[in-house]
Amino acid sequence: EAGVAQSPRYKIIEKRQSVAFWCNPISGHATLYWYQQILGQGPKLLIQFQNNGVVDDSQLPKDRFSAERLKGVDSTLKIQPAKLEDSAVYLCASSFSFQEKQYFGPGTRLLVL
Amino acid sequence: GNSVTQMEGPVTLSEEAFLTINCTYTATGYPSLFWYVQYPGEGLQLLLKATKADDKGSNKGFEATYRKETTSFHLEKGSVQVSDSAVYFCALRDNAGNMLTFGGGTRLMVKP
Repeated sequence: EAGVAQSPRYKIIEKRQSVAFWCNPISGHATLYWYQQILGQGPKLLIQFQNNGVVDDSQLPKDRFSAERLKGVDSTLKIQPAKLEDSAVYLCASSFSFQEKQYFGPGTRLLVL
Repeated sequence: GNSVTQMEGPVTLSEEAFLTINCTYTATGYPSLFWYVQYPGEGLQLLLKATKADDKGSNKGFEATYRKETTSFHLEKGSVQVSDSAVYFCALRDNAGNMLTFGGGTRLMVKP
C-alpha cells in the first residue's frame, strides 16, 4: 500500500515570497491533516479536512496560510507571504476516518531566508 | 488546554541498556495516549497506544502504561538496539475530537 506522498521534499525561499506544498493521502482516506513541526518541537496541527470540508483550522494563521482539498483527495497548503518564523517541516497525514490511526508523510522542509 | 511534556534529550545509551523516556500530560477527561517514532529521513510512525487508564501499549519491545493518577505515559524498553536510534514523541488525543497534541520529542542515540 502506497503511503502519504508529499512534494517538494525541500524548499528554500526568501521572506515575503510565496510557497505551496502538495500532499496526496493514502487512497480511500477521508481525513487529511497538515502539521507544522518547528525544529526541536513536536508537530502542531494547522488544519484538518474531512473529505473536502474543513473540520478544524483553529491553529492556522489565516492571514498568510491557506489550504484546500477541492476534490476530497489531494491537498495544497500555501504560505503567502512567508516569514522567517515559518521555517519548519510541514507534515501531511491521513486517516481512514475521524479518530482512526493517522499515517504521516515524509514532510516538506521549508527554510525561509 | 491540552499539553504534553517529555524529558529533554538527547538520551545516549549503549546497546542493550534499559530505556525510559518520561512523558506527562495535562488534559480534561480521559484522553487516548500515543508514542510516535521518527527514524532518520522517515515520517512519523505510530509505535504504541493506550486508550484508557491502566492500559499497557506495547510494540517492538517497547511498552508504556497509562497512569491516570500520575498523568503519565512513560516509554520503556528493556534492551535497546542501535536501530532504535530515533526521535520519540509522546502525544494525546482528547475524546472530543481527533486532534493530536504532541510533546517536544526526545532524541535517542544508541551506541554499539
